[in-house]
Amino acid sequence: NAGVTQTPKFQVLKTGQSMTLQCAQDMNHNSMYWYRQDPGMGLRLIYYSASEGTTDKGEVPNGYNVSRLNKREFSLRLESAAPSQTSVYFCASTIPLGDQPQHFGDGTRLSIL
Amino acid sequence: RKEVEQDPGPFNVPEGATVAFNCTYSNSASQSFFWYRQDCRKEPKLLMSVYSSGNEDGRFTAQLNRASQYISLLIRDSKLSDSATYLCVVHQTDSWGKLQFGAGTQVVVTP
Repeated sequence: NAGVTQTPKFQVLKTGQSMTLQCAQDMNHNSMYWYRQDPGMGLRLIYYSASEGTTDKGEVPNGYNVSRLNKREFSLRLESAAPSQTSVYFCASTIPLGDQPQHFGDGTRLSIL
Repeated sequence: RKEVEQDPGPFNVPEGATVAFNCTYSNSASQSFFWYRQDCRKEPKLLMSVYSSGNEDGRFTAQLNRASQYISLLIRDSKLSDSATYLCVVHQTDSWGKLQFGAGTQVVVTP
């Protein structure tokens, strides 16, 4: 049972570098999400994809772009990384019905120097 | 004001004791409620959903008070393995599965 798989698990970047975080789910879920988690704060939604072919901004979208490649995959791209983007990034997926929980990947720990 | 607020703790609990803590939410349109557990910055995992009538899952009891807009979690007979951060999570009716997360309440169970 893979569930939600994120790659990479760890990454160190220099300011200005770009990279893409990958996320894939094998649960046939329609909706997928990208969050960041910083110390002392709850998970904050960066972008989400309610269904294949759609993406929308969340609470903190600046500096990020996303692609919903197909139903399984939802990637997050940092075009020009900044130290403020140092965080733990989680991908999640769900069937978007009211009482259905989200399933999370293991997270990507990203440091930007 | 944050949409979901939690006491960050930590709540230091002797093994075998009972601990309870609350979470308040600001949006009255909130429809579904959950408690997630997170260990040491690992991924959050669903602990339990919270139903209007209150619900129990083993040693864990969740309550919802819509009038006062809070939910609670009670842990009985605490185990060392219950040490974690407990995230209060709220889903609003008009959102596409989008959840609002509290910052979490840390529980530390001591021998």
